[in-house]
Amino acid sequence: DTAVSQTPKYLVTQMGNDKSIKCEQNLGHDTMYWYKQDSKKFLKIMFSYNNKELIINETVPNRFSPKSPDKAHLNLHINSLELGDSAVYFCASNRGESSYNEQFFGPGTRLTVL
Amino acid sequence: AQTVTQSQPEMSVQEAETVTLSCTYDTSESDYYLFWYKQPPSRQMILVIRQEAYKQQNATENRFSVNFQKAAKSFSLKISDSQLGDAAMYFCAYRSLTQGGSEKLVFGKGTKLTVNP
Repeated sequence: DTAVSQTPKYLVTQMGNDKSIKCEQNLGHDTMYWYKQDSKKFLKIMFSYNNKELIINETVPNRFSPKSPDKAHLNLHINSLELGDSAVYFCASNRGESSYNEQFFGPGTRLTVL
Repeated sequence: AQTVTQSQPEMSVQEAETVTLSCTYDTSESDYYLFWYKQPPSRQMILVIRQEAYKQQNATENRFSVNFQKAAKSFSLKISDSQLGDAAMYFCAYRSLTQGGSEKLVFGKGTKLTVNP
């Protein structure tokens, strides 16, 4: 009965490869997010989707392409991986139409680019 | 753009004692939300406490309470009767009142809390 799940939890890959991280929420939320946590633990928004529509794109390189096939899923595809992409990526969700709502976070995916 | 500052990269406290983590923020908005999240070594982000800016009363959740000073743009977290399980990174976060996908959280850089037995 996990609320927000991500796969995989760990991803180790070579520079130049293409990889995807999947996120699913079973909370019935309308809005989903991707955050990046760097090696210094700093968390920053990357994207948000509301009802499958892209709302926020925070100057993320276009090698990163989010895709939302439906309201419950928001996947992150990364092309031509670089060393600097190594980080923990968190998916989150909340009810878009409600105020004072909590964002629920997934367990994170630790991406290591060698 | 809003910014959140946590001036204490690390803090330590003795078990059963009280500790206060600092957070200041910068915004031109009059209504917003503030949060404290906890990230233990498991790296799961856990909501500790939240505060609506229009509420003057400070939020409290069991051993956790905040001191919200709107004019000073300060939002500190007090942990009473500290327990070993409180050891974690603590993040202060700001959220605008907007909705429809724009409810991004702006985080501070975090404070690493160590609890000594």
